[in-house]
Amino acid sequence: GQSLEQPSEVTAVEGAIVQINCTYQTSGFYGLSWYQQHDGGAPTFLSYNALDGLEETGRFSSFLSRSDSYGYLLLQELQMKDSASYFCAATGYSSASKIIFGSGTRLSIRP
Amino acid sequence: NAGVTQTPKFQVLKTGQSMTLQCAQDMNHEYMSWYRQDPGMGLRLIHYSVGAGITDQGEVPNGYNVSRSTTEDFPLRLLSAAPSQTSVYFCASSYSKSVSYEQYFGPGTRLTVT
Repeated sequence: GQSLEQPSEVTAVEGAIVQINCTYQTSGFYGLSWYQQHDGGAPTFLSYNALDGLEETGRFSSFLSRSDSYGYLLLQELQMKDSASYFCAATGYSSASKIIFGSGTRLSIRP
Repeated sequence: NAGVTQTPKFQVLKTGQSMTLQCAQDMNHEYMSWYRQDPGMGLRLIHYSVGAGITDQGEVPNGYNVSRSTTEDFPLRLLSAAPSQTSVYFCASSYSKSVSYEQYFGPGTRLTVT
């Protein structure tokens, strides 16, 4: 079946760096996306990796290793506003238009 | 641009009732989709559309119908509401048929079925 695994909760300190891991099992894998969702809000897109390696967007970076079926989201210079849930999502199972989300990692930032 | 809009924001239904959740986007996006999100869980794809007149099933389509008569609108119909359909429903759109590209989400509809 199709599944993604990510830690349910992560705690980090303001100003620090945190890594949120995601492992996936999907057939027909195209790439891995990351979304952020604040409590009560809608998900917002952060990044997408189709190829192996690191993609950097400001304080956020995302990494993919297709051979290991593994990716991670790296958040640097953590700010209190980064407290949110982060979801990895695999695209392409059975169709380029289908996507499956992980259960999310709740990131809590301590002062 | 308003982006992706959803109505209503909140809805309470009794078991067996039917209703339509509305979704519209003004970005001329080809791809639109519906998700449900249960507490503490990720989003699950219900149905999606890659263009007007074209729809397909996602991960959890049972109990829901969709249609796409225009590029802008993608309503989700609950045929006979059940308590298991209590959830938050999000509509999303993307300019590409490949959902790898950025999806823009609406604010959500919080549905309770009693």
